Amino acid sequence: DIQMTQSPSTLSASVGDRVTITCRASQSISRWLAWYQQKPGKAPKLLIYKASTLESGVPSRFSGSGSGTEFTLTISSLQPDDFATYYCQQYNSYPRTFGQGTKVEIK
Amino acid sequence: EVQLVESGGGFVQPGGSLRLSCAASGFTFNSYWMSWVRQAPGKGLEWVANIKEDGSEIHYVDSVKGRFTISRDNAKNSVYLQMNSLRAEDTAVYYCARDVSWTDYWGRGTLVTVSS
Repeated sequence: DIQMTQSPSTLSASVGDRVTITCRASQSISRWLAWYQQKPGKAPKLLIYKASTLESGVPSRFSGSGSGTEFTLTISSLQPDDFATYYCQQYNSYPRTFGQGTKVEIK
Repeated sequence: EVQLVESGGGFVQPGGSLRLSCAASGFTFNSYWMSWVRQAPGKGLEWVANIKEDGSEIHYVDSVKGRFTISRDNAKNSVYLQMNSLRAEDTAVYYCARDVSWTDYWGRGTLVTVSS
């Protein structure tokens, strides 16, 4: 199975900060990576797929990059609505696997 | 508007069974793979299984193989997860999701609690 490792596990930031979350795959997954946002008690929401393609309706302050084994999710200017937990997921092979999550907290 | 509504969760003893259902609407159901993803309390997301548009191809995570069965009824726009031999570690919110390789729409989830 492909292991997905996110860092950091928790991130404390302020409104307006630039935030970067890293996701590493245990083997190459090309660009077959998605990012999701989840708020407490809610279902996850798709943000980005194919490593860098922004889902329709997602604010442009979110961006993704990377290929192979290393990927990043960047929020250019953190907004109050962005405090949540973020997950990466590979869909290069089965079983599909998620990172353990990165919680973005208010500093 | 795409809607996915799960049902069938509840409390069950170890070794017991449950059948989850997911009713889909707002899209051409028989044109999409469908998945189940779960989340244990306070934990991260775990992909469980998916099924091809016509049911001819199915995949499972190893931890549920031989115990869980995913199926679909395209006439009813529904996907199911039959869960047998349930264990405490199967306790989770189970989400139904539309699978386009990644997951673009999720239901609100149904809670399954396995405990004696």
